[in-house]
Parts: sequence; C-alpha cells; structure tokens
Amino acid sequence: KNEVEQSPQNLTAQEGEFITINCSYSVGISALHWLQQHPGGGIVSLFMLSSGKKKHGRLIATINIQEKHSSLHITASHPRDSAVYICAVRRTGNQFYFGTGTSLTVIP
Amino acid sequence: NAGVTQTPKFRILKIGQSMTLQCAQDMNHNYMYWYRQDPGMGLKLIYYSVGAGITDKGEVPNGYNVSRSTTEDFPLRLELAAPSQTSVYFCASSYGLAGGPGFTDTQYFGPGTRLTVL
Repeated sequence: KNEVEQSPQNLTAQEGEFITINCSYSVGISALHWLQQHPGGGIVSLFMLSSGKKKHGRLIATINIQEKHSSLHITASHPRDSAVYICAVRRTGNQFYFGTGTSLTVIP
Repeated sequence: NAGVTQTPKFRILKIGQSMTLQCAQDMNHNYMYWYRQDPGMGLKLIYYSVGAGITDKGEVPNGYNVSRSTTEDFPLRLELAAPSQTSVYFCASSYGLAGGPGFTDTQYFGPGTRLTVL
C-alpha cells in the first residue's frame, strides 16, 4: 500500500467547473506538497503546507493533520489547468513520498 | 537564472553500459534530489544531498551512485544498466534549511531525462 493515495485518478471537467482533488496519507509528516506536471513532463511546485489553508490565484490547498488528508481545489477551471496533479509528503528527515497523481482534463 | 538543468534529455543504453546523468542548479540551494518516475507510478526518491560532500540514500538507491563535490552539481551514475532502470529521471533542488529563517522545502525540478535500457 502506498503511503500516499490520491483520488480520483482521472478527472474530466467542463470549463468553469469547481474541481477537488484529494490526498490521503498514512504516515507522520512534516509538510505536504502539491505539484503540477504539465503534459510535456515538466514539474512545478504549487504549494507547501504544514497546516491550514493556502491560496494562490484560483488554486486553494487545505490540510487536516488529524485526519491525514489534504485537498486541492481549482475554482473556475480552464483548459490550461489540464495537467497531472501530484501530492507529496515530507516525512521527518529528508524523505519524500509521492502519490501517483490525478490526471485532470478541462474541456472548453 | 537557468534554475535546474539536466543533461541529456534522452538516452538509449544497452544492458551493462554505464552513464552519468548530469544535474546542475544556479540558485545556491543546499538540498538536491534525484527521482525516477515510472509509468503509472509516483516519483520515487533515489538519492539526495543536503550539501556539498553529503549524500544519502532514498527509497530506491540500488544500481545508482551519486556524488556532490560542489553546491551546484549533483550527478547520478548508473553502473551496469538494466532494463528495470528504464524510466524518466528528475533532478530537483530546494533551499531547505529546516527550522531556519525563510525555511522552505519547495522543490524546483529539472526538465527530466528519459532513459531507455535495451
């Protein structure tokens, strides 16, 4: 069983829809990251969270440490948001564990 | 700033050959990482370094070696390549001084190297 599980694996949305991607983890962590992998393969870090909520533009990330759960929300989705979204957790020390990603397609 | 650069972008190796994947960053980051990404699988940490001269194993280190002689460079060496090492390899770096002022372990990724071992 992976330390990090994401759902859904695949998601198709109409432009403008509100999107939620979920991440659950089973280990103690010091921080959680959300990453975006573009269709060409490049990876960009979106958020680092250790508690609460962060917002950047149309992206919102939340984390509940007690429930070992994080969500990434995209408001007013756009076709350029189409990408794979990856959740990663940093354990104490320097070990990172990654989910397998959620593939998002936003249709115009 | 170029950020994190990786060379080569693509490479095909025969079983048993060796090669070095190059990674360099110009952000003066302390931490550097090597990951592999297999189809349908999450990124797996191979090796990481917290500074020049210091390296440590990640989740999947077998078949690989690293060195960190400078802050900027973190090459990954494959000895005796095997088909199981066919993957996309990503190098990343972060500032990452835990607990210090401005602490962040936001990682900056290179563009990746697609390696095929036949």
